[in-house]
Amino acid sequence: DTGVSQDPRHKITKRGQNVTFRCDPISEHNRLYWYRQTLGQGPEFLTYFQNEAQLEKSRLLSDRFSAERPKGSFSTLEIQRTEQGDSAMYLCASTPGGTSGGSSSYNEQFFGPGTRLTVL
Amino acid sequence: RKEVEQDPGPFNVPEGATVAFNCTYSNSASQSFFWYRQDCRKEPKLLMSVYSSGNEDGRFTAQLNRASQYISLLIRDSKLSDSATYLCVVNRNFNKFYFGSGTKLNVKP
Repeated sequence: DTGVSQDPRHKITKRGQNVTFRCDPISEHNRLYWYRQTLGQGPEFLTYFQNEAQLEKSRLLSDRFSAERPKGSFSTLEIQRTEQGDSAMYLCASTPGGTSGGSSSYNEQFFGPGTRLTVL
Repeated sequence: RKEVEQDPGPFNVPEGATVAFNCTYSNSASQSFFWYRQDCRKEPKLLMSVYSSGNEDGRFTAQLNRASQYISLLIRDSKLSDSATYLCVVNRNFNKFYFGSGTKLNVKP
């Protein structure tokens, strides 16, 4: 399978615990995005990487959230001291991307299946 | 004000009907536009990009009106399998993507 993969698919944790999610983008894609989606809402941007550089973080991302993409390939999203409000679907997406933009098709996003987090 | 606004619906239509969704965006500097489809408890998948001249893909037609800052999606001859949530997406500076909350479509036999 050459699509975007995410692991785990489901995570149930108790409030206060730390969790880490992994995303493997399509191999030739430079850009990787993390989103959070709650019921009835569209995906909300959290952060994105151009290769290994984290270029932007949303104000939604509190200090408890951190993301890395150490070698410009896979990425991890860690949530420390989880709260019940963190319960959501966490989606990863990748695009071919580029440093100076491109056509619409160049910026199509390919999503992984998501990690559904439930904080009890 | 939200970056992208959509009517949440649901739109309940019979098979074979034509249905149209609109979406408005707030930032005139937005550069790329897309419609994504999301099935229940699944990830979003690209339905089609939206080009300035308008574009068609089978039963689906997308239009962009930059002056009024809205995007539309027209579905002709609706199928049961078209039932899903349709997400309007805009992109600025080829960086961040802004998603609408989605419009839910139910196609009934």
